Amino acid sequence: AQKVTQAQTEISVVEKEDVTLDCVYETRDTTYYLFWYKQPPSGELVFLIRRNSFDEQNEISGRYSWNFQKSTSSFNFTITASQVVDSAVYFCALSGPLNSGNTPLVFGKGTRLSVIA
Amino acid sequence: ETGVTQSPTHLIKTRGQQVTLRCSSQSGHNTVSWYQQALGQGPQFIFQYYREEENGRGNFPPRFSGLQFPNYSSELNVNALELDDSALYLCASSLEGVGETQYFGPGTRLLVL
Repeated sequence: AQKVTQAQTEISVVEKEDVTLDCVYETRDTTYYLFWYKQPPSGELVFLIRRNSFDEQNEISGRYSWNFQKSTSSFNFTITASQVVDSAVYFCALSGPLNSGNTPLVFGKGTRLSVIA
Repeated sequence: ETGVTQSPTHLIKTRGQQVTLRCSSQSGHNTVSWYQQALGQGPQFIFQYYREEENGRGNFPPRFSGLQFPNYSSELNVNALELDDSALYLCASSLEGVGETQYFGPGTRLLVL
């Protein structure tokens, strides 16, 4: 069975600090996709990134970066120079296998990030 | 491009009643998935619709049912509401295919008293 673990329930940082959100996943599939979503207080899940299991290159998008390590089954998310607007609940999710017609997302329990001014 | 929309935004029902939630998919998307998010938890997959047919189901009882219409919009119906059905219900649309990114609507907050 697929499983996503986000061990950090809540993190609080001061504005401009860097923060890393951890994500560890379990799957028996050799091919799969990983995602990060942001959920602000309004409730809508906002898509941040998708990464397939073939691509272990790290990715940077502005202040956001992602570190995918297949060897440790981790897909960690770093926010550099955090801002108050980054305050939200962040979810890591897993989907696959790539040869399946049904693509539900399996989510972790989320990490609540509070950035204090 | 129109994003995913859901209605209503909030709903209060009593135990035993029935509820229908609605979702309009993002322009160009033909697949709709529904998730239930209890307070403090991650979203849980209910089911997915593609070409007006159920295309996969999570661990939810049959009193959770759905429809997809020719314009790809969708409904989630829940019969015989229970207190534990109180949650945020999220709809996501995507293109068909494994690993396609799912884009979520703002959700419907359901409270069962």
